Formats: sequence, structure tokens, C-alpha cells
Amino acid sequence: EPEVTQTPSHQVTQMGQEVILRCVPISNHLYFYWYRQILGQKVEFLVSFYNNEISEKSEIFDDQFSVERPDGSNFTLKIRSTKLEDSAMYFCASREDTQYFGPGTRLTVL
Amino acid sequence: GQQLNQSPQSMFIQEGEDVSMNCTSSSIFNTWLWYKQDPGEGPVLLIALYKAGELTSNGRLTAQFGITRKDSLLNISASIPSDVGIYFCAGHNHGGSQGNLIFGKGTKLSVKP
Repeated sequence: EPEVTQTPSHQVTQMGQEVILRCVPISNHLYFYWYRQILGQKVEFLVSFYNNEISEKSEIFDDQFSVERPDGSNFTLKIRSTKLEDSAMYFCASREDTQYFGPGTRLTVL
Repeated sequence: GQQLNQSPQSMFIQEGEDVSMNCTSSSIFNTWLWYKQDPGEGPVLLIALYKAGELTSNGRLTAQFGITRKDSLLNISASIPSDVGIYFCAGHNHGGSQGNLIFGKGTKLSVKP
């Protein structure tokens, strides 16, 4: 069964460093998403991406964040200068009709 | 913004018992989804509901999309230890967005063997 994959599973970084989180959506899906989940809290929407551009973003998705689809399979989330409060699980999702989530990347900012 | 109120926050039940959890909203959703999340993993889709009044089953799970489109209910029958996890409801309104989901805060289910 096709699934969304994410790498790395865990990323530890120093405050102020840039990180890139990678996702491979399900191959025939056209809509892509990033969500984040701070430990013990609910899943929160960050950004949606369709037709090679951002279609919607939340208040969390400020200028420090960017997304890219560099080729036909990868979908990336970049955080330019990480802050302590960026520590969270980051989930990629893709959909045709319904959203399927990847296993997540746990980002720890020290 | 739109918010989902999910209850209960947590449940402790005995293996074999049935359990219900629900989600309500002050605004209408066109789609309701139920996900299960195990520790350290991503949400896994359990059931998707697309029509008001719809009742859909997936094994021992049954979910209902409320007639007013402002609520949804998830039932798990004859619970087993592997049902342990956090259950999230999620909804979206196709008309207002590219389908980004709004999640409830989750119901943490514990099952005692």
C-alpha cells in the first residue's frame, strides 16, 4: 500500500541553525501539506501546497518557514533559523480525496 | 478561527467494553475524519465521512457524521489492548480552503486487559 515517507525521523539542531525536513508524498497525490504537533498537543496546520505553489498557510508559517517541491517526488519544509519553540513533530501529508500522514520528523532545537 | 471540541479528554476502560467519543464544532464542516495516533508516530486514518447523516464502519469502529454537520461520533466496540492510543477527530471545509485539516485535541484511550 502506498504511503507517505519522511526523513529524517529525528533531527537535533542548535538554535539559529537551518533545517530541512523531507517528505515523499504518495505518487498520484496532488495536494501536499505540512502540520506540526508540539508534544502533548493537537496537530496544527502549517501550509498547503498545490500546483507548485503555496495555496494556504497558517499564522505559524511565518517568514522563517518555506516549502519546496524540488523534483517530482520530494516535498520539503525549511526552517531558516530555528528557535527553541520550533521543537515539535512535523508531519507531511498528501491527498487525493483524503489526507494520509507520514510518520513524522521529531525536531529538537537545543 | 474554526475549532473542534473533542471529548472526553481521556478514557480508561476494560478490555471488551465499548467506547464512544465525540467531536463538536460551532461551524459547519463538509468532511469529518477520525485518526488514531500511536506514540511517536503519525496519525493513521480510521474513517472518513463525507455526507451529513452518514454512518460508516471499519471493522469494530463506527463513525457518524451529524445531521447538522457540526458534530461527529466515533464508537469502538469490544475494545482490545491494541486500541490504546490517541484518537483525533479532524474536519475541513472544502469551500474555504485547500483542504487543510482542523484537529481536535484528542481522546487518549487506555484499555486494561
